[in-house]
Amino acid sequence: DTEVTQTPKHLVMGMTNKKSLKCEQHMGHRAMYWYKQKAKKPPELMFVYSYEKLSINESVPSRFSPECPNSSLLNLHLHALQPEDSALYLCASSQDQSSYNEQFFGPGTRLTVL
Amino acid sequence: AQKVTQAQTEISVVEKEDVTLDCVYETRDTTYYLFWYKQPPSGELVFLIRRNSFDEQNEISGRYSWNFQKSTSSFNFTITASQVVDSAVYFCALSEASNAGNMLTFGGGTRLMVKP
Repeated sequence: DTEVTQTPKHLVMGMTNKKSLKCEQHMGHRAMYWYKQKAKKPPELMFVYSYEKLSINESVPSRFSPECPNSSLLNLHLHALQPEDSALYLCASSQDQSSYNEQFFGPGTRLTVL
Repeated sequence: AQKVTQAQTEISVVEKEDVTLDCVYETRDTTYYLFWYKQPPSGELVFLIRRNSFDEQNEISGRYSWNFQKSTSSFNFTITASQVVDSAVYFCALSEASNAGNMLTFGGGTRLMVKP
């Protein structure tokens, strides 16, 4: 299985809602990533988990809260988002956090904040 | 600081034409890794190739080929006999061995449109 899966594919939420994005991989990868991608821009790194521990937080606002319950799962909890947070959220994984490892991406969740 | 530049924001070709996507990078590391990803309209980034800084051998995979030249800090991607299914945004990315987190520096992307 060489897939990274993400649910839901689309999400519309209000600014007062709480929602979660889910990501799963069964490739035995020990590094997992969250990216945010705005239209016509490259992905921007948000968080990196390595061996289920948060390794990098790229100064992401606290309304985004990542969680790694086990080595196959990665969640992104959303609370009190702003309309400017509307974007494609991509999850990725790699064998580990070594810089030569290619990252495998999921199809993303298209988030709209009203 | 590292940087990746893809000067072509959009390219439009007719099917069966050859097309080259340019990628120029900047880094102070002597060991680094270069990647190309394809992002079709569905949104998923698809890994195409990784090249190590110490391996300047060019690579061919079917209709795809990559030309890595350290002397000009370029890692260009050529699609031969383009097809409509090649229409996508293509990203070049750089990862430095000195960075602790496998953090990719992406170029701005090149949108390729292949018309029938």
